[in-house]
Amino acid sequence: KNQVEQSPQSLIILEGKNCTLQCNYTVSPFSNLRWYKQDTGRGPVSLTIMTFSENTKSNGRYTATLDADTKQSSLHITASQLSDSASYICVVSASLTGGGNKLTFGTGTQLKVEL
Amino acid sequence: DGGITQSPKYLFRKEGQNVTLSCEQNLNHDAMYWYRQDPGQGLRLIYYSQIVNDFQKGDIAEGYSVSREKKESFPLTVTSAQKNPTAFYLCASSIASQGNTEAFFGQGTRLTVV
Repeated sequence: KNQVEQSPQSLIILEGKNCTLQCNYTVSPFSNLRWYKQDTGRGPVSLTIMTFSENTKSNGRYTATLDADTKQSSLHITASQLSDSASYICVVSASLTGGGNKLTFGTGTQLKVEL
Repeated sequence: DGGITQSPKYLFRKEGQNVTLSCEQNLNHDAMYWYRQDPGQGLRLIYYSQIVNDFQKGDIAEGYSVSREKKESFPLTVTSAQKNPTAFYLCASSIASQGNTEAFFGQGTRLTVV
């Protein structure tokens, strides 16, 4: 069964600090892995995408890593800001026959950044 | 502006009633999806459509129905057969080709049964 597990479930950090979120997956066949940010009551927005051959990808203060052998990914947030408070969701994609992708979602890590 | 629009943002339904959630996109995407989000759980796929006039059941299709008469529109009906319909519903779309396509999400509809 395709699964995506994230840890920690929730996290509180002080503004300016760094943090790392973890994602383990068992999705097959693997197409790509994305990290999404979801603000409360809104739709998720993509932060990064990583394919099988990529190890690291950055988007501003967000840096994602992928180890396709161990099926693990991490999202590192540098110099956190209050606006980083959101749910961060790891999403692993498998290609569908006929086009499109089937996405398997993790349950998310709820991050709160405090003063 | 290009995007994907869900309406309404909040919806209240009496038990035993059917209700339809709207999803419209002007991104010219072939594939559209409906997900359900519950507290403490990842998004779960209800239905998806890869082309007009065709759709497939996802992981939790029971109690739901969809139609895809136009490329731009993929409405979801929550029927009275859905025993626990209170949830946050998200619609998404993507181009249909395989590979690193991104799914773009609407802002969601929060459905509450009263």
